Formats: sequence, structure tokens, C-alpha cells
Amino acid sequence: KNEVEQSPQNLTAQEGEFITINCSYSVGISALHWLQQHPGGGIVSLFMLSSGKKKHGRLIATINIQEKHSSLHITASHPRDSAVYICASGSARQLTFGSGTQLTVLP
Amino acid sequence: EAQVTQNPRYLITVTGKKLTVTCSQNMNHEYMSWYRQDPGLGLRQIYYSMNVEVTDKGDVPEGYKVSRKEKRNFPLILESPSPNQTSLYFCASRSSDQPQHFGDGTRLSIL
Repeated sequence: KNEVEQSPQNLTAQEGEFITINCSYSVGISALHWLQQHPGGGIVSLFMLSSGKKKHGRLIATINIQEKHSSLHITASHPRDSAVYICASGSARQLTFGSGTQLTVLP
Repeated sequence: EAQVTQNPRYLITVTGKKLTVTCSQNMNHEYMSWYRQDPGLGLRQIYYSMNVEVTDKGDVPEGYKVSRKEKRNFPLILESPSPNQTSLYFCASRSSDQPQHFGDGTRLSIL
């Protein structure tokens, strides 16, 4: 059974800091997803990746298939980045989710 | 606008009273899923569907039913709801090799 672990569980940063959230999974997968969940509860997909690196604005996601590890980086963090970040791994049919990282960015 | 629409957004009901949460997507996606989110347990998959008339169990299917008679709709049915099904529910859809689109969530309270 696939297990997904995220770290840290909670992260507080000052505005402008570089942030890294880590995700490890236990079995081979077809894709790794990064999601963002705001306090209102809605979930937005940030990235889906199966190799290498993807970038969108200030967000960068990387994955190392051999090490079964992915990272989400936020450059020049801003208070509006405050949210829960969730990684999920699996196939097109089934996903297993990490427990989430609560990020708070202070002005 | 591409979207996944869930209804209702909020529901308080009583044990044993059958309820249906509807989910509809307008993106012609093949894959649809239902998840529940609970404090300390995170998101867990209830059921998924790979296309019309093709559904399968996720990690926590007990007490739930689904159907996929049309590509756009994937309702979640609780035949006899119990308090342990009080949760935040999300429907999501995707096409192959694309990220998932999530609905806004349905907060269910079963008394």
C-alpha cells in the first residue's frame, strides 16, 4: 500500500522567505500532485508531475523518481501563500494523500 | 468556465435518512472521484470512476454508493447515513495526464 509522508506539518515564515515542503512516497507511481487548500476549504491543483521539475510563477515543484521524493518550493513568499499544501501520489485512478503542511506567512 | 459543481454545499441531517450529493463536471473528463476529508486523517478516496458505467472502490467505500450513468455526473449516495459519515466531501474530475479539478466541497453533518 502506498504511503505518503509530508514534512513539515506546520511552517511559519516571514514574508519574502524561500519555503520548501517535502513529500515522500513508498511505491512507484505514475504522477505526483501538489494541491493547495485555503482556509475556506476549496482545493486547487498546483502541479502534476512525473519527472523533473515544473515552475508556475513563484512556485516550483521537483520530483526524484529514484528516491521517491518530491519538493514544493515557494520563492519570495507572501501572506497570500498561507494555506495547507497537500501532496498526493498514485495513478489516474487512485490517489493517496499526505497529511498536509499548514503554511503561515507573516507580513 | 471549466468547473466541478457539487450540491448541496452544506447539509445537516439525521441518521438513517437517505441522501445524495450531486457532482457534475463540464470538461468531458473521463475520470471522476469522491473524497472525504477528516481532521487528522486527511483526504481519503471513497470511490472513483474511469468512465460511464465503470466505477470502483477507493480506500473507504463502506456506507457509500455511486453511479456513473452519464459522463458529466457522478452522484454520491448515502443509503443510511450514520454520524461517522460526518465529514467534508470533495468531488474531483480529470482527464488522463492532467491535474484534477475539485469541486468546492460539501460539508455533511449527520446527527
